[in-house]
Amino acid sequence: SYVLTQLPSVSVAPGQTARITCGGNKIGGKSVNWYHQKPGQGPMLVMYDGGARPSGIPQRFSGSTSGNPATLTISRVEVGDEGDYYCQVWESANHHWVFGGGTKVTVI
Amino acid sequence: QVQLVQSGVEVKKPGASVKVSCKTFGYSFSSHGISWVRQAPGQGLEWMGWISVNTGSTDYADKFLDRVTMTADTSTNTVYMSLTNLRPDDTAVYYCARVNWATVEAGWFDPWGQGTLVIVSS
Repeated sequence: SYVLTQLPSVSVAPGQTARITCGGNKIGGKSVNWYHQKPGQGPMLVMYDGGARPSGIPQRFSGSTSGNPATLTISRVEVGDEGDYYCQVWESANHHWVFGGGTKVTVI
Repeated sequence: QVQLVQSGVEVKKPGASVKVSCKTFGYSFSSHGISWVRQAPGQGLEWMGWISVNTGSTDYADKFLDRVTMTADTSTNTVYMSLTNLRPDDTAVYYCARVNWATVEAGWFDPWGQGTLVIVSS
């Protein structure tokens, strides 16, 4: 089955840029989604189909649409951006979705 | 406003079954599938499966193939997830999420339900 690989943690200072990566076989050809989960809360979509932002997600969030690994970039990081970020793809071969293991973002 | 509201906490003994509900509001129920994702304490997200409400067809993760059933009730706009033969390592928060598609290769989950804690303990 398809495997998505994420670094366990990323630390970033307020106002700086955080880059969260998601690696997978030929991931550049897949549509990647990203979810943010704050402590004690459920996941929330922050990027879909590579680089599309849902309504309400600030322009500080951007996603790469090609290349390996896929990357979620958060510019001008704020304390409220802390939490776990998960990447996700649709594995069309067997009609399954797959999540990465998650990256914990800490604003130091 | 699109909203998914899940049923409450469940406490079960090993070997029992659980049925979690996900009631939807604010959109055409049959136009979107519903997926289920679980999260064990301190762990990441684990996809369990999904149901196409329009057709009733389901796809389940291999790990749950013999234990999970997902159904949809169009009269109440509610989707159910049943898990049988529960084990202590099934203790987790179970989330439902609406499935959205841009193309047949681009699907995502939004919004999510608030989660249902299922505790399996003797």
